[in-house]
Amino acid sequence: DAGVTQSPTHLIKTRGQHVTLRCSPISGHKSVSWYQQVLGQGPQFIFQYYEKEERGRGNFPDRFSARQFPNYSSELNVNALLLGDSALYLCASSRADNEQFFGPGTRLTVL
Amino acid sequence: QKEVEQNSGPLSVPEGAIASLNCTYSDRGSQSFFWYRQYSGKSPELIMFIYSNGDKEDGRFTAQLNKASQYVSLLIRDSQPSDSATYLCAVYPARQLTFGSGTQLTVLP
Repeated sequence: DAGVTQSPTHLIKTRGQHVTLRCSPISGHKSVSWYQQVLGQGPQFIFQYYEKEERGRGNFPDRFSARQFPNYSSELNVNALLLGDSALYLCASSRADNEQFFGPGTRLTVL
Repeated sequence: QKEVEQNSGPLSVPEGAIASLNCTYSDRGSQSFFWYRQYSGKSPELIMFIYSNGDKEDGRFTAQLNKASQYVSLLIRDSQPSDSATYLCAVYPARQLTFGSGTQLTVLP
């Protein structure tokens, strides 16, 4: 079975721009979570979606938003990009509230 | 106090030795505990999970959980150079997987 896929792999944006990151979960998984990982730190939780409903939100500003589609894929949107948003953005899928499997990530650089 | 704490390392062990990685957590309501391995420039890979007090073994890996002490550990037996990576401890208190900062392990040939 294919693992979690994310696109794009890398992205370069300038401050103030908007970005959309995409994620497709493992087949059969209905939950998608998003994380931000900066260098030297563990991933930080941004959102969790299950069956298209938001189930959890981390301590991130309203510039961050997400949604989940009927096929369980998901998008993470970040508006008004700041330099500090430069990070590896990780998507993880799970069946429900259990083991989460990560995709390869999208590396975002904000100039 | 951080919710999940790990020694950042680096931890160096010789090839063939046992590597011991430790993690403490603050939320007593936590029910699920995970260890991820992350190679440089890659995403985290799930290697172990444990839900009950005691030990859980999978190949060369053993996870140990002590809920009373709020402590979870990972032992890697017969360490190999390919085990050199950052090991992330993660705790699932309430639908929000919370990670430590990771311990960098180097296995010396």
